Amino acid sequence: DAGVTQSPTHLIKTRGQQVTLRCSPKSGHDTVSWYQQALGQGPQFIFQYYEEEERQRGNFPDRFSGHQFPNYSSELNVNALLLGDSALYLCASKLLSGSWTGELFFGEGSRLTVL
Amino acid sequence: AQTVTQSQPEMSVQEAETVTLSCTYDTSESDYYLFWYKQPPSRQMILVIRQEAYKQQNATENRFSVNFQKAAKSFSLKISDSQLGDAAMYFCAYRSAFWGDMRFGAGTRLTVKP
Repeated sequence: DAGVTQSPTHLIKTRGQQVTLRCSPKSGHDTVSWYQQALGQGPQFIFQYYEEEERQRGNFPDRFSGHQFPNYSSELNVNALLLGDSALYLCASKLLSGSWTGELFFGEGSRLTVL
Repeated sequence: AQTVTQSQPEMSVQEAETVTLSCTYDTSESDYYLFWYKQPPSRQMILVIRQEAYKQQNATENRFSVNFQKAAKSFSLKISDSQLGDAAMYFCAYRSAFWGDMRFGAGTRLTVKP
């Protein structure tokens, strides 16, 4: 049973550049959420996708955008990178309908460094 | 807005001893879930234990148990017979019963001494 997979695991960008992070949810899951975890802090909610639409959004600027594909995989795009965007980006998935325990399943994250 | 507070940035425990990690939360909702996640250096968040707010009985998973005090909005994690592999960051998290996103505390770094 494949868990949540994310790519790339590490990447380095410079200020002003754009980045795309990718996520494949756990098998059978249809909802994907993205979180930003700055060093030494807890994860902060960015947004959630279900049925290829953004359903909820946290307090993040429009530079952060996403997409969900028909196979439920998802991308996180960040434009005009700032130094403060350096963080671990976590993808999490769940099954919205059916037996629902509230639990999110997380990937290992993509570590973004902005220089 | 719901907030989660972990007041212990770091905790230390001797191997085989018991340790309790604290968590408080703020919400006006009556139906929600609470979680403890473990994040080892490998970075992947791993679910340790889950509590449904409508259940009065405290959840237990092997060596891990919680003390859920709904009126006090408190949700502590007790780790019994601590093992070296328990060393990690522990995050307390809250989510609404349905659509809500998951809100995390700032985390507690647990060190296990041999």
